[in-house]
Amino acid sequence: DAKTTQPPSMDCAEGRAANLPCNHSTISGNEYVYWYRQIHSQGPQYIIHGLKNNETNEMASLIITEDRKSSTLILPHATLRDTAVYYCIASNAGGTSYGKLTFGQGTILTVHP
Amino acid sequence: DGGITQSPKYLFRKEGQNVTLSCEQNLNHDAMYWYRQDPGQGLRLIYYSQIVNDFQKGDIAEGYSVSREKKESFPLTVTSAQKNPTAFYLCASTSSLGGTYEQYFGPGTRLTVT
Repeated sequence: DAKTTQPPSMDCAEGRAANLPCNHSTISGNEYVYWYRQIHSQGPQYIIHGLKNNETNEMASLIITEDRKSSTLILPHATLRDTAVYYCIASNAGGTSYGKLTFGQGTILTVHP
Repeated sequence: DGGITQSPKYLFRKEGQNVTLSCEQNLNHDAMYWYRQDPGQGLRLIYYSQIVNDFQKGDIAEGYSVSREKKESFPLTVTSAQKNPTAFYLCASTSSLGGTYEQYFGPGTRLTVT
């Protein structure tokens, strides 16, 4: 898996958009960008993933730069329940890695009232 | 409801004892994984299994053992050889259908060894 770099912590006001950056400058062409989050003392939860195009689902949007060296996870209207550690992972999960993911330390997002 | 169950939620053992953590899934997923998480750290892969009766070592397999006799079950044994067994253990599974490989995680077992 390519190495990813995330800020250790970020703050966001409730109701505002939370934009979480991730750098993956060594990502290879067949590696996807995955985002997971982990609420305290629970198992991680899948949020979204993408290869080249921007993606959106009911939880978030993922914006990947054209050169694929960085991406941003956007939570459009953050709530207090979005307070969690967010992990950005670059992985060729469908190839020889077969689903293996390498979790870094992530970004602690704190949503304030 | 479909999902992954891990039991127990909390487990206490004396040093020198082996302990087995349970992981069951009813999602019909082929692949299953065990991770370890220490306070303030990310997850580290212990073992993974792509199919029944087959499993591979992850990044930190020493002191652990697994079995995969059934598709639904992937128990992890923490042996007395594991030097620092106290940690939060997470089990996950994934399906290759659709090619997304998103992993579904259980609620975790917090093991304390004294």
